Amino acid sequence: QVQLVQSGAEVKKPGSSVKVSCKASGGTFSSYAISWVRQAPGQGLEWMGGIIPIFGTANYAQKFQGRVTITTDESTSTAYMELSSLRSEDTAVYYCARGSRPMTTVTTCEFWGQGTLVTVSS
Amino acid sequence: AIQLTQSPSSLSASVGDRVTITCRASQGISSALAWYQQKPGKAPKLLIYDASSLESGVPSRFSGSGSGTDFTLTISSLQPEDFATYYCQQFNNYPLFGGGTKVEIK
Repeated sequence: QVQLVQSGAEVKKPGSSVKVSCKASGGTFSSYAISWVRQAPGQGLEWMGGIIPIFGTANYAQKFQGRVTITTDESTSTAYMELSSLRSEDTAVYYCARGSRPMTTVTTCEFWGQGTLVTVSS
Repeated sequence: AIQLTQSPSSLSASVGDRVTITCRASQGISSALAWYQQKPGKAPKLLIYDASSLESGVPSRFSGSGSGTDFTLTISSLQPEDFATYYCQQFNNYPLFGGGTKVEIK
């Protein structure tokens, strides 16, 4: 069974950056996309971007282009999401999720991490 | 850009009720639609993929239908554990979620 374990909660200052990790176990890591989805308090789900580890190139939602960087480390089966120029509106729970179909980022999210709360506050 | 509109945004229902949630895409997406259930403080859970395929382990009271622009999630007989928020997601070009439907106890 695939499990995704994310790093712990973060508190950041406006203008700074945050990097969240997502370690996968079970299943195949390299050929299935890892997506990052965030959820602001009381709000809906928002896809930020995704990456297929074996290809190494990420796709990003237009809203986050230039501010988010998604990477992976195949040697440790870990994905990372770094968000820069943080503002209060970035306060949210950030989830990683593994796709259900190999070799595409445009797929359903079958397995999810537990979520990481990022709080942006001065 | 494709937009997904879920309705209603919330509903109240009783245990045993038949519940229907709709999701409309602003342009045709074939059957590239999924449904998720999310409970407070938890990650979403995949229920339905490819518009009508039931994810393994999901109770058969959940069903999905539709193609093109109009989709439906139906819960045939609402159970206490089904009170949650439900999201549709299209994956025709890039993943996009609908705004959610909160199912509350009547």
